[in-house]
Amino acid sequence: EAGVAQSPRYKIIEKRQSVAFWCNPISGHATLYWYQQILGQGPKLLIQFQNNGVVDDSQLPKDRFSAERLKGVDSTLKIQPAKLEDSAVYLCASSRPSYEQYFGPGTRLTVT
Amino acid sequence: SQQGEEDPQALSIQEGENATMNCSYKTSINNLQWYRQNSGRGLVHLILIRSNEREKHSGRLRVTLDTSKKSSSLLITASRAADTASYFCAHNNDMRFGAGTRLTVKP
Repeated sequence: EAGVAQSPRYKIIEKRQSVAFWCNPISGHATLYWYQQILGQGPKLLIQFQNNGVVDDSQLPKDRFSAERLKGVDSTLKIQPAKLEDSAVYLCASSRPSYEQYFGPGTRLTVT
Repeated sequence: SQQGEEDPQALSIQEGENATMNCSYKTSINNLQWYRQNSGRGLVHLILIRSNEREKHSGRLRVTLDTSKKSSSLLITASRAADTASYFCAHNNDMRFGAGTRLTVKP
């Protein structure tokens, strides 16, 4: 089966600009996650969707980050405006409920 | 925080030796999962152990789960240089990750 797809793979923007990331989960996976991983740290859960509903967004900086999962399939994560500390790899993962996660390759964001 | 916490933070061994890393958690769980991350790559699922299981094997990997102590261990036997990576645990009730264990296997 096809894996989790993410795009773009790399993005460089200036601070205060906006950026959007896209994720296409594995077909049939109802649960979708977005993580932020800063170099040298573990992935930090930003938001978890179950179909198109939000299960957990307690660690999402809602003043600048937003995410949606229309129709319960693809998802986009947006940052507006970006800060230097947003430089990280953004990982998308999907799973069936209570099963293991499958991760995409990630998007490496550099904010200058 | 309800995330899994891995221990030790770093582990360095020689090729052929065994590596053991631990995970502790705070809440009741339905299952616990171990993942590997090679430098610059996404996480890869290694093994899932359910709360009614005490031990599970997959190739050179052995995972144990002690729900009374809220802890799990991952044993990699006969390690190889290719096992060099960061290892993370998470559980289904809260898919948050700790800082991981950074394993270095020296050839």
